[in-house]
Amino acid sequence: DAMVIQNPRYQVTQFGKPVTLSCSQTLNHNVMYWYQQKSSQAPKLLFHYYDKDFNNEADTPDNFQSRRPNTSFCFLDIRSPGLGDAAMYLCATSRDGTYEQYFGPGTRLTVT
Amino acid sequence: GENVEQHPSTLSVQEGDSAVIKCTYSDSASNYFPWYKQELGKRPQLIIDIRSNVGEKKDQRIAVTLNKTAKHFSLHITETQPEDSAVYFCAASGGYQKVTFGIGTKLQVIP
Repeated sequence: DAMVIQNPRYQVTQFGKPVTLSCSQTLNHNVMYWYQQKSSQAPKLLFHYYDKDFNNEADTPDNFQSRRPNTSFCFLDIRSPGLGDAAMYLCATSRDGTYEQYFGPGTRLTVT
Repeated sequence: GENVEQHPSTLSVQEGDSAVIKCTYSDSASNYFPWYKQELGKRPQLIIDIRSNVGEKKDQRIAVTLNKTAKHFSLHITETQPEDSAVYFCAASGGYQKVTFGIGTKLQVIP
């Protein structure tokens, strides 16, 4: 089945230790998104790629970076995680010309 | 930018009753309004959406209405069942495929 896959599902990192979360998709969608979702809150868009074009939200901290080496993969790098970065990170994709977003299962990040 | 307000934040209904969740948006250029259901610990999943050229859309027990003049849209769930218990997010999109989410409504259906 075509889908959005995120690895790992659970990630524990130490305060200040860089961490990378990955997302892959078999839908061949050209738009990929990264969201941060904290407990009992709505998903908050961090950035998205439209093809290779990177679009950063104005309030996304510099601590968060992203890479999209090809259509299928997208990475979220947190350079120096703080305790406040503990959250669920959701990857989503969308096909150009439509708006429906398909979400991956998420990676729950714990910062110790 | 777009701002989406959603209410109520929590909603409890008896099984079989109807549930209504309301949202307002600020950007008159928004033209796509999806609703997502998120069960505990799971991904958000699209349950229904509506575009600005349509006033109402139904899918079995779920319906969405849109009033562009007033900039509000609503989700209606009829004959609620315990499996409808989840958090529901409304959202609005004005283009370039960015979606702004509402704060979410936690729906509890009491058997």
